[in-house]
Amino acid sequence: EAGVTQFPSHSVIEKGQTVTLRCDPISGHDNLYWYRRVMGKEIKFLLHFVKESKQDESGMPNNRFLAERTGGTYSTLKVQPAELEDSGVYFCASSTLSTGAGGSYNSPLHFGNGTRLTVT
Amino acid sequence: AQSVAQPEDQVNVAEGNPLTVKCTYSVSGNPYLFWYVQYPNRGLQFLLKYITGDNLVKGSYGFEAEFNKSQTSFHLKKPSALVSDSALYFCAVRDPSANQAGTALIFGKGTTLSVSS
Repeated sequence: EAGVTQFPSHSVIEKGQTVTLRCDPISGHDNLYWYRRVMGKEIKFLLHFVKESKQDESGMPNNRFLAERTGGTYSTLKVQPAELEDSGVYFCASSTLSTGAGGSYNSPLHFGNGTRLTVT
Repeated sequence: AQSVAQPEDQVNVAEGNPLTVKCTYSVSGNPYLFWYVQYPNRGLQFLLKYITGDNLVKGSYGFEAEFNKSQTSFHLKKPSALVSDSALYFCAVRDPSANQAGTALIFGKGTTLSVSS
């Protein structure tokens, strides 16, 4: 099966510009997550979609970040306007809505290769 | 609050020697624990998980991890390291009893494993 794909792999933009990151999850995966890793620090949760609905967006840093998942397939994460502290690697992950013991809690996440965002 | 600690930024080991990458966690309920590995310019790959049952779980590439409830630890181990094991390793936890809507993983900051030949 095709894995999680993210586009672009790298993006360099100036402070104040807009950038849109895209994630295509594995086909059939209803759970979709966005994470961010700032250099040398933890991978931080941003938000979680179940199909097209935002299940948890408690990790979104502020209202400059907007995530969408129209139709429950691919997702976009827009940063507008970008600030220097937004630099980092943005990962997307997907998983199945498991009906087994533990439900979705024991489903491993499948990660994309990430988008490295540099804001100058 | 849930949290994961990886106390070592880097672990160095010679090829053929056993390796341990440490992880401790803090959750209010019973944890679901995971290890992921990231190779350069790649995404995170799932290695293994502990949900319930035997405290020693085996995963990909010969790795295993031991769940220790009393020490709240989930250290990653391998009996004989390979140069190709050199990568960035992340420990992660989910707490199904936590009052959160989603099923997101909470990650540690990662440990760089360097295996020398």
